[in-house]
Amino acid sequence: GQNIDQPTEMTATEGAIVQINCTYQTSGFNGLFWYQQHAGEAPTFLSYNVLDGLEEKGRFSSFLSRSKGYSYLLLKELQMKDSASYLCAVLDSNYQLIWGAGTKLIIKP
Amino acid sequence: SQTIHQWPATLVQPVGSPLSLECTVEGTSNPNLYWYRQAAGRGLQLLFYSVGIGQISSEVPQNLSASRPQDRQFILSSKKLLLSDSGFYLCAWKGPLNTGELFFGEGSRLTVL
Repeated sequence: GQNIDQPTEMTATEGAIVQINCTYQTSGFNGLFWYQQHAGEAPTFLSYNVLDGLEEKGRFSSFLSRSKGYSYLLLKELQMKDSASYLCAVLDSNYQLIWGAGTKLIIKP
Repeated sequence: SQTIHQWPATLVQPVGSPLSLECTVEGTSNPNLYWYRQAAGRGLQLLFYSVGIGQISSEVPQNLSASRPQDRQFILSSKKLLLSDSGFYLCAWKGPLNTGELFFGEGSRLTVL
């Protein structure tokens, strides 16, 4: 079966750095997405990785290792507005998105 | 630019009543459209997707149905709602890039009592 694992909840302090991990086992791989979802709202796109390595976009970076079936989302200089759920999703061999359950990130002042 | 809208935003319905959620996309033609459901603490579950008018693929057998009467319109329906149908419903369209990125509507919160 297809499976995406990420921690259910994480807590971090404003101004700090947090890393959210995602491991996956899917039938084929055509890329990995990270989405941000604030409570009661729709997910919004953060990043897309299809090759190994680190993609940096402002305060957010996403890393991929295809051989390990592993990705992480790194958030720097945390702000209160970063409190949200972060969803990891993999595009499988049929180009369908397989979603993780999401990681709820709580930022404390 | 492309936009996607869905409504209603919030719905409270009794068990056994019908359902209709509507989604429209503007600024693009022949989009791939999707209906997802998100239960509390769980990942997004793909319900239906459509690659064109009248073309619907169902991912999960259940008492829901979908229709695409027009190119930019996608409707989620039920004749008789169950308690288990409660959740957050999201319509989405796949962007033009061949990366699989999805753009979501605002979401519809359905509570079945």
